[in-house]
Amino acid sequence: AQRVTQPEKLLSVFKGAPVELKCNYSYSGSPELFWYVQYSRQRLQLLLRHISRESIKGFTADLNKGETSFHLKKPFAQEEDSAMYYCALSVRDNYGQNFVFGPGTRLSVLP
Amino acid sequence: KAGVTQTPRYLIKTRGQQVTLSCSPISGHRSVSWYQQTPGQGLQFLFEYFSETQRNKGNFPGRFSGRQFSNSRSEMNVSTLELGDSALYLCASSFQDENTEAFFGQGTRLTVV
Repeated sequence: AQRVTQPEKLLSVFKGAPVELKCNYSYSGSPELFWYVQYSRQRLQLLLRHISRESIKGFTADLNKGETSFHLKKPFAQEEDSAMYYCALSVRDNYGQNFVFGPGTRLSVLP
Repeated sequence: KAGVTQTPRYLIKTRGQQVTLSCSPISGHRSVSWYQQTPGQGLQFLFEYFSETQRNKGNFPGRFSGRQFSNSRSEMNVSTLELGDSALYLCASSFQDENTEAFFGQGTRLTVV
């Protein structure tokens, strides 16, 4: 069965410190992984996807198929990064697509 | 380009009633998915519609149903409401291309009393 885990419910770091939000998945097919972010009172929005190998707002994430992980990293956290972060696995089959979301990690960046 | 629009934003219903939520996807998007978000269970997939057909369904009871119209707008219906149905219901639309992202609406917050 498909599953996404995010071990930390809450992660607090000081401004300027490095941050890593962990994500592990289980999926028998070829994984399509995403990080979504939800800022206070805003809608859930895409932060980045593994296929793009891009850096958004200083965040990067590398897919490690051997460790079935897709951890989100940023070298220097900013206060505006405080939000809820969800790791998501896109699951496709003959019937369509849906996203399996992890439980989320609330990132709090302290001044 | 207008985003995904969900109506109403807030809703209060009593146990046993039924409710209908609406979602207008981004223009050109043919796939619409629904998710339930609660503090305890997080984001859980309800169902996905594509070209007026339900293609995929999550693990929810039959009280939860939906439909999609020819203009891709979608509605979700919950019958015989229970207190545990109180949640934020999110709608997402996408193109359905490879590695395409899902765009989410603001959600409808349903409170069952």
